Amino acid sequence: AQTVTQSQPEMSVQEAETVTLSCTYDTSESDYYLFWYKQPPSRQMILVIRQEAYKQQNATENRFSVNFQKAAKSFSLKISDSQLGDAAMYFCAYKGTGNQFYFGTGTSLTVIP
Amino acid sequence: KAGVTQTPRYLIKTRGQQVTLSCSPISGHRSVSWYQQTPGQGLQFLFEYFSETQRNKGNFPGRFSGRQFSNSRSEMNVSTLELGDSALYLCASSYGQVGTGELFFGEGSRLTVL
Repeated sequence: AQTVTQSQPEMSVQEAETVTLSCTYDTSESDYYLFWYKQPPSRQMILVIRQEAYKQQNATENRFSVNFQKAAKSFSLKISDSQLGDAAMYFCAYKGTGNQFYFGTGTSLTVIP
Repeated sequence: KAGVTQTPRYLIKTRGQQVTLSCSPISGHRSVSWYQQTPGQGLQFLFEYFSETQRNKGNFPGRFSGRQFSNSRSEMNVSTLELGDSALYLCASSYGQVGTGELFFGEGSRLTVL
């Protein structure tokens, strides 16, 4: 079974600084998708960014970018120019050829003013 | 377009009781998935329904069950509640196609078992 590991339960960053959240996964599939979801306190989870495994180029969405290392099975999220609204729980997720998503245990990000 | 709606948002039950949670997906979405979220455990997959059929099932005991109706609305039921069932139950919908299939989440139903 696929597993997703987020080794940083908590992270903090100064406002306007850059922070990187780590994620590793284990799979034997060659075709899959990776996601970062954000869950603000008491609010619903939303998609931050997604990466198709067949694409070598790292995905970017405004201040959010990923470092996708397929051989190392690593998928980190970089948040640039951190804002107070970025404070949330961040989940890394994997989706293979089936329709089931596998989530990591999450990283709680605190943004310090 | 309305988002994923889950009801009730909060509920308190006692051990041994049963509970039914409801999820209305985004219009046009045919897949509904359910997750249990607890601190430190992240999101644990319960099951996924597509066009009224259970397509995937996680590793939960038979006390956890679900169903999907013809309008894609879904319910999950937990019978004989245990203290460890206290959690945030999240519902997510998607078009259900194989491929990138982004999930859209509801705000969740927070269940407390006393």
